Amino acid sequence: DTGVSQDPRHKITKRGQNVTFRCDPISEHNRLYWYRQTLGQGPEFLTYFQNEAQLEKSRLLSDRFSAERPKGSFSTLEIQRTEQGDSAMYLCASSWGFNQPQHFGDGTRLSIL
Amino acid sequence: GESVGLHLPTLSVQEGDNSIINCAYSNSASDYFIWYKQESGKGPQFIIDIRSNMDKRQGQRVTVLLNKTVKHLSLQIAATQPGDSAVYFCAEMVGPGNTGKLIFGQGTTLQVKP
Repeated sequence: DTGVSQDPRHKITKRGQNVTFRCDPISEHNRLYWYRQTLGQGPEFLTYFQNEAQLEKSRLLSDRFSAERPKGSFSTLEIQRTEQGDSAMYLCASSWGFNQPQHFGDGTRLSIL
Repeated sequence: GESVGLHLPTLSVQEGDNSIINCAYSNSASDYFIWYKQESGKGPQFIIDIRSNMDKRQGQRVTVLLNKTVKHLSLQIAATQPGDSAVYFCAEMVGPGNTGKLIFGQGTTLQVKP
């Protein structure tokens, strides 16, 4: 069990640029979640996949955000035209089924200059 | 709205003592709860979980208690060690029919004094 892997660990970009993050879940997990965490706060839900289907998106996920999980394995989260308020830690988690523990990666920390 | 709150932002304990971290949740429909530990620069690490049909669950040095009557959750850590220093979050999952998204509180920072 290699755990949830996220890449890159850190991303620094200028306002207005596009960024893409990748998450590789635990291999046998069919559910994949994206959360966002700002300093001093708990993670906030962004979106969720069951296999390749994106089944829920939070109101936090504006039109500039898009997530995919094309083959039901790894997932990408893209932010277009980044803004200062996008600076946060973006966390990915995976689980096997509903009402099962979600295991998190170590996140991608995004800093907008 | 939905929220999970923690009673104390910071808890300071002496090494070897027992620690108790509390959490109040607001949604009576929540039926699954998880405690996470988060160290600086890392993602939340699963500690222990409990379902709403249980009142107590024990792990290695940790115990979670659930009181559904007052919507209260606690995490007890026995013989606290310096390596237990971290931020602790409780998270709730609302069901049934939910997507499985977790709702987190703001966290309690546990400081262990040697």
